[in-house]
Amino acid sequence: KNEVEQSPQNLTAQEGEFITINCSYSVGISALHWLQQHPGGGIVSLFMLSSGKKKHGRLIATINIQEKHSSLHITASHPRDSAVYICAVFPNYGGATNKLIFGTGTLLAVQP
Amino acid sequence: DVKVTQSSRYLVKRTGEKVFLECVQDMDHENMFWYRQDPGLGLRLIYFSYDVKMKEKGDIPEGYSVSREKKERFSLILESASTNQTSMYLCASSFEVQPQHFGDGTRLSIL
Repeated sequence: KNEVEQSPQNLTAQEGEFITINCSYSVGISALHWLQQHPGGGIVSLFMLSSGKKKHGRLIATINIQEKHSSLHITASHPRDSAVYICAVFPNYGGATNKLIFGTGTLLAVQP
Repeated sequence: DVKVTQSSRYLVKRTGEKVFLECVQDMDHENMFWYRQDPGLGLRLIYFSYDVKMKEKGDIPEGYSVSREKKERFSLILESASTNQTSMYLCASSFEVQPQHFGDGTRLSIL
């Protein structure tokens, strides 16, 4: 079993819909990272959070440390949001070497 | 903005060749990482380095080596390329326990 699980693996939505991507993890963490990867492109950081909620534009990330769960929400989705969304955690073992454990990603397609 | 530059976006090599993938970052980050990304498996850490000439194995180091002679440059070496090393390779860098910054990736095909 992966230490970081994402759901769903694939998601198709209509433009304007509210989207939720979930991430569950089984290890103790110091922080959680949401990343975005466009087709053929590199990876960009969306959020890093260790508690509560963060918002940037139409994107909202929440984390519940007790339940070991995080969600990424996209409001008023748009076709340009189509990408792979990756959840990654910084485990709180192994020293401060900044090694991440990654989920396998959620492929989001937003149709016009 | 942090810039992580990978030397090639696409690369085609033959089995048995020695392959070098280069990564350069411009923000004086001490941490640098090499990952490979395969469908259904996500990103897997090959090697990382937390200082010049320092390296540690990641989860899948077999068949790979690395070199970090200067702080800004981290090279991934496939000593004798094999077809199962066909993949997308991503380099990243970071400062302490801060978000990693990724390059655009190198899609490597081994024929």
